[in-house]
Amino acid sequence: SQELEQSPQSLIVQEGKNLTINCTSSKTLYGLYWYKQKYGEGLIFLMMLQKGGEEKSHEKITAKLDEKKQQSSLHITASQPSHAGIYLCGADMDSNYQLIWGAGTKLIIKP
Amino acid sequence: GAGVSQSPSNKVTEKGKDVELRCDPISGHTALYWYRQSLGQGLEFLIYFQGNSAPDKSGLPSDRFSAERTGGSVSTLTIQRTQQEDSAVYLCASSPWPQETQYFGPGTRLLVL
Repeated sequence: SQELEQSPQSLIVQEGKNLTINCTSSKTLYGLYWYKQKYGEGLIFLMMLQKGGEEKSHEKITAKLDEKKQQSSLHITASQPSHAGIYLCGADMDSNYQLIWGAGTKLIIKP
Repeated sequence: GAGVSQSPSNKVTEKGKDVELRCDPISGHTALYWYRQSLGQGLEFLIYFQGNSAPDKSGLPSDRFSAERTGGSVSTLTIQRTQQEDSAVYLCASSPWPQETQYFGPGTRLLVL
């Protein structure tokens, strides 16, 4: 089984609606990174979480890391077309430089 | 300041040819990573450079793949005798130090015919 699972694989949301993407690990996380990727572009760093229970927000995007540090959620409030893209989580599981990556969640915003 | 840049942005080559992909990391970043992303897949780690230390090549899929980093800055990923399964997006990232946030370039789209 995958060490880092993202769900859902894809999501179609009406503009203005809220949505949540999850990233679940089989191991305790030393750090969890969220990135966004648009077609033809590289990954854009969104947020990084390290402490159990930590929550960070940027504009309409909020990311949380649970107390056990094995699951993170990314929540988008009042979605907009600019939120469309692929969201990837990357996890530091061994306190070293290599991140384990989720397979990504493709988000489509319907006007 | 300038972000990570990669060139070329797109590369189409014939099976059996060699290709070179270039990455210019953010100035002052000591760590540099190469990843491969196949269609609809997550990121596959290829190689990691940190300062003047020996690189971690554990992710290179075969001996056709090699990479170097000159002067602790620019890196080149070389694929020899390309195969169709090498077709993917090759992404480069850099970070100020290991275990710090990685900043990605726009990638090079490689298509092997």
